[in-house]
Amino acid sequence: GAGVSQSPSNKVTEKGKDVELRCDPISGHTALYWYRQSLGQGLEFLIYFQGNSAPDKSGLPSDRFSAERTGGSVSTLTIQRTQQEDSAVYLCASSLRARALAGGLTGELFFGEGSRLTVL
Amino acid sequence: GNSVTQMEGPVTLSEEAFLTINCTYTATGYPSLFWYVQYPGEGLQLLLKATKADDKGSNKGFEATYRKETTSFHLEKGSVQVSDSAVYFCALTENRDDKIIFGKGTRLHILP
Repeated sequence: GAGVSQSPSNKVTEKGKDVELRCDPISGHTALYWYRQSLGQGLEFLIYFQGNSAPDKSGLPSDRFSAERTGGSVSTLTIQRTQQEDSAVYLCASSLRARALAGGLTGELFFGEGSRLTVL
Repeated sequence: GNSVTQMEGPVTLSEEAFLTINCTYTATGYPSLFWYVQYPGEGLQLLLKATKADDKGSNKGFEATYRKETTSFHLEKGSVQVSDSAVYFCALTENRDDKIIFGKGTRLHILP
């Protein structure tokens, strides 16, 4: 497709269950990001993949959260033993990283429409 | 660490009013600065950006100037429209890595 695709768009689960959220980035984009959007909390950075480099996992809130990116394309965010505080919209974005001659990131992020997770 | 602080909303204005949404940042290096917008029912999209000090980003009548001396990137529009109602996010990234940090967002309501 032309844009970033995320699935499922909505997921309702029971506390303690595991969930997987999928992101299919724009073809050719080397960078992939996961963010969490909670009411009143803005966009919280979770994890960042760039090409073949080791991912930046510094935003993952606990060891229940993990993410993979297979073959430099599709990514899966897994939340184990879900808690009610995990309820949020999980956003994926991809980017074709580019730098201006003077330095600085010029590639823009393209966001998917998100996966809304509700933990009962 | 790097951070972005933007004014809390919601901001409610009448159509054709002047808009300012304040954004200040903390960064150790020389960040690039962005404004993203999320219209109702849509995904986030880039509104404008500036990659070095004194640059002015502009799009759809919105402007923001990268002010290094005040570490600010305030968003302005001279005459807002009902269609500008959305949530606006200020963001930054530093040269040394591409992790993009967002502010908490400011919800804007424009009344006809």
